[in-house]
Amino acid sequence: EAQVTQNPRYLITVTGKKLTVTCSQNMNHEYMSWYRQDPGLGLRQIYYSMNVEVTDKGDVPEGYKVSRKEKRNFPLILESPSPNQTSLYFCASRGSGANVLTFGAGSRLTVL
Amino acid sequence: SQQGEEDPQALSIQEGENATMNCSYKTSINNLQWYRQNSGRGLVHLILIRSNEREKHSGRLRVTLDTSKKSSSLLITASRAADTASYFCATDARAAGNKLTFGGGTRVLVKP
Repeated sequence: EAQVTQNPRYLITVTGKKLTVTCSQNMNHEYMSWYRQDPGLGLRQIYYSMNVEVTDKGDVPEGYKVSRKEKRNFPLILESPSPNQTSLYFCASRGSGANVLTFGAGSRLTVL
Repeated sequence: SQQGEEDPQALSIQEGENATMNCSYKTSINNLQWYRQNSGRGLVHLILIRSNEREKHSGRLRVTLDTSKKSSSLLITASRAADTASYFCATDARAAGNKLTFGGGTRVLVKP
């Protein structure tokens, strides 16, 4: 089944404890992206990647890092999480020439 | 800032009624898309309408696009309880480097 898989789905952590949210897609998509969703603010793009080893900042990149060493994986790294990064995170991907995104199921992160 | 803004923010209807929501945007677009999100889950693509199209249908969904007014509407006919979800418009705009920009969404509640 074609899908985008995120892990973990739920995580409660404490301020400053590094964490990684993994994202993997099995559709051979070139483009991958991370969004965060907060009440009243809709979806905001954090980082995106046009292809392997090519990443770029979205609208709200502060406090996050990403890497794209392989086509299928696009992990989101929070080096030193803070409470304002408590949010619902989505990974999404699309193929070249298409602009329809396939989303993962989401990762709900709480930073205490 | 958000390119697309949905109206209303929330909508409550009875099963069998039609639901209409609107999306306004600011800059010229290549296409506009509608996505659906069940509570806390990932977004699912519903329909894409290109800038040179005025109306598009998919099952019980009807989307219109008025580029002169920079607005789109999504109509769900004969709504069902299972249509309860949030609906988001997303614009693919040249000025945004062809990335999708999401609005804040319309929450639709269909009462049985």
